[in-house]
Amino acid sequence: LAKTTQPISMDSYEGQEVNITCSHNNIATNDYITWYQQFPSQGPRFIIQGYKTKVTNEVASLFIPADRKSSTLSLPRVSLSDTAVYYCLVGDRGAGTALIFGKGTTLSVSS
Amino acid sequence: EAQVTQNPRYLITVTGKKLTVTCSQNMNHEYMSWYRQDPGLGLRQIYYSMNVEVTDKGDVPEGYKVSRKEKRNFPLILESPSPNQTSLYFCASSPWTSGVTDTQYFGPGTRLTVL
Repeated sequence: LAKTTQPISMDSYEGQEVNITCSHNNIATNDYITWYQQFPSQGPRFIIQGYKTKVTNEVASLFIPADRKSSTLSLPRVSLSDTAVYYCLVGDRGAGTALIFGKGTTLSVSS
Repeated sequence: EAQVTQNPRYLITVTGKKLTVTCSQNMNHEYMSWYRQDPGLGLRQIYYSMNVEVTDKGDVPEGYKVSRKEKRNFPLILESPSPNQTSLYFCASSPWTSGVTDTQYFGPGTRLTVL
């Protein structure tokens, strides 16, 4: 299983774009990269998933370079409600094996 | 409404008193999983199940048991709870379509305190 490394915390202001980078040097060929968001005392919620290049949905973009050893979650124009913990996961979608969330990145958005 | 439910949401118990935390999903998902979350340690997977009667250990299975007799239910059993099992527990489920694990849907959490 590929281990991931993320910053422990980040601070931002409302309206700014936030980029959270995740390092996964040992990513395997079949591994996908998935990001989850968690608010205090709630279960994590899926944000976005990708394999390579760029993926965009209504809430975020995920940038994955060609070597796939890192990925960047981009949150456009954050608001106070984006204050949460963000987890990067790397795993084989077809394997059904144990998933490792790690410690995540705590994003604090201020006004 | 599609959801994962857990019961109880809060539980205070004493060391050694067997307990069960129930988890149920109404989305017909094959894959179900239990996690515990502790300050500074993030989410750690305890057990997972890819289908009925199929379970496997996650990252931290010691002191826990699970069973998957029905597709919708995946109870977590603590035969002899200890204070180090005081934690916030999450159950999750996801579909297993053509062998591909999709996004996981999490329950609301169960806060367990073992005295």
